[in-house]
Amino acid sequence: RKEVEQDPGPFNVPEGATVAFNCTYSNSASQSFFWYRQDCRKEPKLLMSVYSSGNEDGRFTAQLNRASQYISLLIRDSKLSDSATYLCVVNDYKLSFGAGTTVTVRA
Amino acid sequence: GEEVAQTPKHLVRGEGQKAKLYCAPIKGHSYVFWYQQVLKNEFKFLISFQNENVFDETGMPKERFSAKCLPNSPCSLEIQATKLEDSAVYFCASSRARVPGVFGPGTRLTVL
Repeated sequence: RKEVEQDPGPFNVPEGATVAFNCTYSNSASQSFFWYRQDCRKEPKLLMSVYSSGNEDGRFTAQLNRASQYISLLIRDSKLSDSATYLCVVNDYKLSFGAGTTVTVRA
Repeated sequence: GEEVAQTPKHLVRGEGQKAKLYCAPIKGHSYVFWYQQVLKNEFKFLISFQNENVFDETGMPKERFSAKCLPNSPCSLEIQATKLEDSAVYFCASSRARVPGVFGPGTRLTVL
């Protein structure tokens, strides 16, 4: 079983739609969790951390469910510029990455 | 600077040749991580350093891969006798702690 698993997508959504996707992790001792964004095979950039109580950053909402060992990302009012691959990252001291979920927002 | 610098941007090697990649972490960041991203696949952790000491090398293919982070020098990742399957983008990241840091732009290695 992979350490971090994501639905690869792609999720094709119209502008303004809401899109959400999950990521599951296998190591119950994982310390912290993050969502990264990667555009066109460039370097990944930190989108947001994921806190136990859930957190929002503008149109982005992240949730953590430790009992079921998954995290989620929800994007509201999606923009064309949100088109990217979203990487779920789990910190078990070496940063385990998921394979990414591709989101394409169309006009 | 506030960016992680990686050189070269592209590197082409014939099978069996050596490849050496460099990473200059952000000043003040004591942790450096190396990752390999093969086309369409996830990031594979290779090795991490805390200053010049290896912190975690569980991802390193020991027989051909080696890495160093020496004081006052860029960190390096060296692949002896490259194989076709080593073709990938190699990302370096640095941080102040054992948490996600800033990634460099990557070095694209192509082994022919």
